[in-house]
Amino acid sequence: EDQVTQSPEALRLQEGESSSLNCSYTVSGLRGLFWYRQDPGKGPEFLFTLYSAGEEKEKERLKATLTKKESFLHITAPKPEDSATYLCAVQARTGANNLFFGTGTRLTVIP
Amino acid sequence: DSGVTQTPKHLITATGQRVTLRCSPRSGDLSVYWYQQSLDQGLQFLIQYYNGEERAKGNILERFSAQQFPDLHSELNLSSLELGDSALYFCASSVDLGHTGELFFGEGSRLTVL
Repeated sequence: EDQVTQSPEALRLQEGESSSLNCSYTVSGLRGLFWYRQDPGKGPEFLFTLYSAGEEKEKERLKATLTKKESFLHITAPKPEDSATYLCAVQARTGANNLFFGTGTRLTVIP
Repeated sequence: DSGVTQTPKHLITATGQRVTLRCSPRSGDLSVYWYQQSLDQGLQFLIQYYNGEERAKGNILERFSAQQFPDLHSELNLSSLELGDSALYFCASSVDLGHTGELFFGEGSRLTVL
């Protein structure tokens, strides 16, 4: 059964303090791993797609990496506007092509 | 703004009642997805439609049903409501079957069952 575990559940950082969020996954044949950002009261917003181990994607202060068992979302010199819940999702190569989401990491960046 | 419109934004109803949630996908998107988000379980996939046809089904209860109309908008019908159905219901859309994983989510409909 597909499984996505994100850690930590919550993270508080000072502005400028870099850190990483973890997403461990189990899926029967990975088609893709996806990162989303969700602000309070809003729907998730797509950030990245990663397809194979070793792949990296960057967007502003965020960089996502992928191995065969986990993905990391690295946040460099975060700003208060980076505060949000970050969701990781996987999609299996076979069966239904829906996204299976983790429960997210709630990031708070303190000025 | 994702371009996905959901109505109503908030809904309060009683146990045993039936409600309908509506979703208009982004212009040009053929796939519509419904997800349920509760505090303890995160985002749970309910169902996907593609160009009017059911494409994939997740953990959707038998009391729940959905459809996608010829104009591509979708409705999620929830009946015989229970307290545990209280949650945020999100609609998302994508231009294709979702293989890129890039879904565009609406702002959700918050359902409270009293």
